[in-house]
Amino acid sequence: KNEVEQSPQNLTAQEGEFITINCSYSVGISALHWLQQHPGGGIVSLFMLSSGKKKHGRLIATINIQEKHSSLHITASHPRDSAVYICAVRHFGNEKLTFGTGTRLTIIP
Amino acid sequence: NAGVTQTPKFRVLKTGQSMTLLCAQDMNHEYMYWYRQDPGMGLRLIHYSVGEGTTAKGEVPDGYNVSRLKKQNFLLGLESAAPSQTSVYFCASSYRERPEAFFGQGTRLTVV
Repeated sequence: KNEVEQSPQNLTAQEGEFITINCSYSVGISALHWLQQHPGGGIVSLFMLSSGKKKHGRLIATINIQEKHSSLHITASHPRDSAVYICAVRHFGNEKLTFGTGTRLTIIP
Repeated sequence: NAGVTQTPKFRVLKTGQSMTLLCAQDMNHEYMYWYRQDPGMGLRLIHYSVGEGTTAKGEVPDGYNVSRLKKQNFLLGLESAAPSQTSVYFCASSYRERPEAFFGQGTRLTVV
């Protein structure tokens, strides 16, 4: 069992819909990252969270440390949001990241 | 503003051949990482480095070697390529104090 679980694995939605992608992890962490990978393959860091909530444009990331759970929300989704979204965690005292398998998001015009 | 640059972007190797992937970063990051990405699996750490002249094994190090002779460069070597090493390879780097990771564009390697 991967210690970082993402759901759903695949998500297809209509343009304009509100999107939620979930990430759960099994042990305590010092930080959680949300990454975006476009069809071209490059990976971009969207957020790094250790508590609470962060917002950047139409993207919102939240984390609940007690429940070991994070969500990535996209408001007013657009076809250009189509990508694979990856959750990764960093454990205390560890310089390494553990990655989820990603959520493939497709937004249909 | 190059960030993290990987070369080459694509490569096809025959079984048994060797090659070196180069990762270069211009952000003065202490930490550098090599990952592989395979279908249905999360990124897996091959080797990493916490500073110039130091390297350490990650989750899947077998069949790979690395070197970090200069702070800005991290090289990944395949001494004798095998079809199981067909994958997309990503390099990443980060500051010690700020763990936000910056990724290269990836290298798609096919071993036939």
